[in-house]
Amino acid sequence: QKEVEQNSGPLSVPEGAIASLNCTYSDRGSQSFFWYRQYSGKSPELIMFIYSNGDKEDGRFTAQLNKASQYVSLLIRDSQPSDSATYLCAVGKRNYGQNFVFGPGTRLSVLP
Amino acid sequence: EAGVTQFPSHSVIEKGQTVTLRCDPISGHDNLYWYRRVMGKEIKFLLHFVKESKQDESGMPNNRFLAERTGGTYSTLKVQPAELEDSGVYFCASSQVLAGMSSSYNEQFFGPGTRLTVL
Repeated sequence: QKEVEQNSGPLSVPEGAIASLNCTYSDRGSQSFFWYRQYSGKSPELIMFIYSNGDKEDGRFTAQLNKASQYVSLLIRDSQPSDSATYLCAVGKRNYGQNFVFGPGTRLSVLP
Repeated sequence: EAGVTQFPSHSVIEKGQTVTLRCDPISGHDNLYWYRRVMGKEIKFLLHFVKESKQDESGMPNNRFLAERTGGTYSTLKVQPAELEDSGVYFCASSQVLAGMSSSYNEQFFGPGTRLTVL
């Protein structure tokens, strides 16, 4: 079992729809959760982070965390073609000297 | 504010040669990380510096890889001798040490990566 799992996609949604990206993790000691967006050939760019159970909203993005289920998701409302990218789920593992464990990424395609 | 920069952006070398990758973190960021993504796989952690000290190098694949961060500013990652399986994209990331907060909450900012091809 991989430490962080994501559906590889591609996930295709029409423009204006809600895109839902999911991530599960195996280490119950994980403390912090990050969503990165990566365009082809570019560096990962931080979209959102979440530390506590529940929802966290930032503009069109909502991150959801359920530590009991070891599940974190990212919702993108009013999806735009410019949202087409690979979305990486990263899980922070340690109290200090933290490194991230990345999922394989989900490729999102927003169709005009 | 300048982001994380990496040099070179691409490197093509032959098996057995040596390559040195450089990373300049965001100014003031004491945490510096190296990651690698080989084709078809997820991004994997290599090592972590806090200032000039190696905090965690558990992800380094073998002793052909040597990372340094003299003076606690930029870092280099040397691969010597390079093997075919070392091909991939090497990312550097940096983060601040936030007073009063566990480092597990640090947001990491990534550089554009160095694409290494070993022939």
